[in-house]
Amino acid sequence: DVKVTQSSRYLVKRTGEKVFLECVQDMDHENMFWYRQDPGLGLRLIYFSYDVKMKEKGDIPEGYSVSREKKERFSLILESASTNQTSMYLCASSSGQGGEQFFGPGTRLTVL
Amino acid sequence: QKEVEQNSGPLSVPEGAIASLNCTYSDRGSQSFFWYRQYSGKSPELIMSIYSNGDKEDGRFTAQLNKASQYVSLLIRDSQPSDSATYLCAVNRGSYIPTFGRGTSLIVHP
Repeated sequence: DVKVTQSSRYLVKRTGEKVFLECVQDMDHENMFWYRQDPGLGLRLIYFSYDVKMKEKGDIPEGYSVSREKKERFSLILESASTNQTSMYLCASSSGQGGEQFFGPGTRLTVL
Repeated sequence: QKEVEQNSGPLSVPEGAIASLNCTYSDRGSQSFFWYRQYSGKSPELIMSIYSNGDKEDGRFTAQLNKASQYVSLLIRDSQPSDSATYLCAVNRGSYIPTFGRGTSLIVHP
């Protein structure tokens, strides 16, 4: 059974804190993605990675960075959290190009 | 700009009816098409994928693809209250990143 896990389901942080969101997949997928999802705005891609140590900016990379040191793990970093980064963060993985994505359970982040 | 359009709804159908969800896309080079179901507060779950014109059936779900008209639809037969969710359409032209629609909210009332 395919599995994508995320380190936290709910997270509350203060403005200015550095925040780490972790994602792990056990499907040996090459590609991993970070999205945020806000009401009325749909899924927006923050960053993706198609190989270890490779990363590409998505549509809204500002204020975020990522790290992929191992194939199964993709981390999203909020360098200095701000209230407008309060959102649902979704990690996904896929294999090759054109294939389906599998999502983790999501992390609901609140920045106070 | 690649676009995937869905009616936001809500689409309300009675229990036992057929729910029909539609999605249109702008990129004629699109090759793969997906339907995800997302319950409130949860993450998207893949329910159907379709790659060639025509119908694909899986239990109560049927995906229909018409590349000439650039639309893909999802039919849910014998709708149940547990089908109430937002349904996301995703389209990919063979790249790493699919384009998602914003979803259609489906309500199945008893």
